[in-house]
Amino acid sequence: NAGVTQTPKFRILKIGQSMTLQCTQDMNHNYMYWYRQDPGMGLKLIYYSVGAGITDKGEVPNGYNVSRSTTEDFPLRLELAAPSQTSVYFCASRDRGRYTEAFFGQGTRLTVV
Amino acid sequence: QQPVQSPQAVILREGEDAVINCSSSKALYSVHWYRQKHGEAPVFLMILLKGGEQKGHEKISASFNEKKQQSSLYLTASQLSYSGTYFCGTENGAQKLVFGQGTRLTINP
Repeated sequence: NAGVTQTPKFRILKIGQSMTLQCTQDMNHNYMYWYRQDPGMGLKLIYYSVGAGITDKGEVPNGYNVSRSTTEDFPLRLELAAPSQTSVYFCASRDRGRYTEAFFGQGTRLTVV
Repeated sequence: QQPVQSPQAVILREGEDAVINCSSSKALYSVHWYRQKHGEAPVFLMILLKGGEQKGHEKISASFNEKKQQSSLYLTASQLSYSGTYFCGTENGAQKLVFGQGTRLTINP
C-alpha cells in the first residue's frame, strides 16, 4: 500500500515560472489537504477538498490553485512562482468518519530563485 | 484561526515528563496530535473528539477540555525517540484541519 505519494520530491523554479505539484492517494480517502511548511515553522493550510469536485480555501490560498477531478488525485498549481513560495509542501488525506487521522505524503521541497 | 501551542520548545533529560498545550479561540469538534522528525512527514499520535472519545498511541496520553477549547499532550518517562516537533491540529466540524505552530521537544541522554 503506497499511501500518499507526492511528486516531485525536489524542484527549483525561477521567478515567474509555473508548475504543478502532484499528490495521489490509494486509500480511497474523501478528504485531501495541501499544507506548506516554512523552515522551523508550522503547517499552514493552503487548500482542502472533501470529495471529487469540491475544493475550498485554507489559510494561505493566494498564488495557488487546486482541482479534484478524481478521488485519488489532488494537484496543486503554482501559476507565477515567487520567492515567498519557497517552502516544503505536504499533501495529506483522511477517510470520512469521526476518528480519522491524516496520512501525509513525504513532501515536496520547492525553491524559487 | 490557527490553534496556539505552548511552550514553543522544551528540553528534557531522558525519563522526565513534559506537557504540551494547545488552545483555540473557536469551538472545536476534534483535536489531533502529530509528531514530526527532522526532514520527515508528520505522523499521527492521537485524536480527541468532543464528548470524550479518543484514539491513539498507547504510551502517550492527552486531554481535551471542550469548554475552554484546550487540549494537552502528556509525555511521561520520555525516551530519546520522543524527540521531534509536536503539532496539534484542530477541526471545527467542517473537515478543515488546521495546525498550530509546533512545539520542539529535545530529549537528552
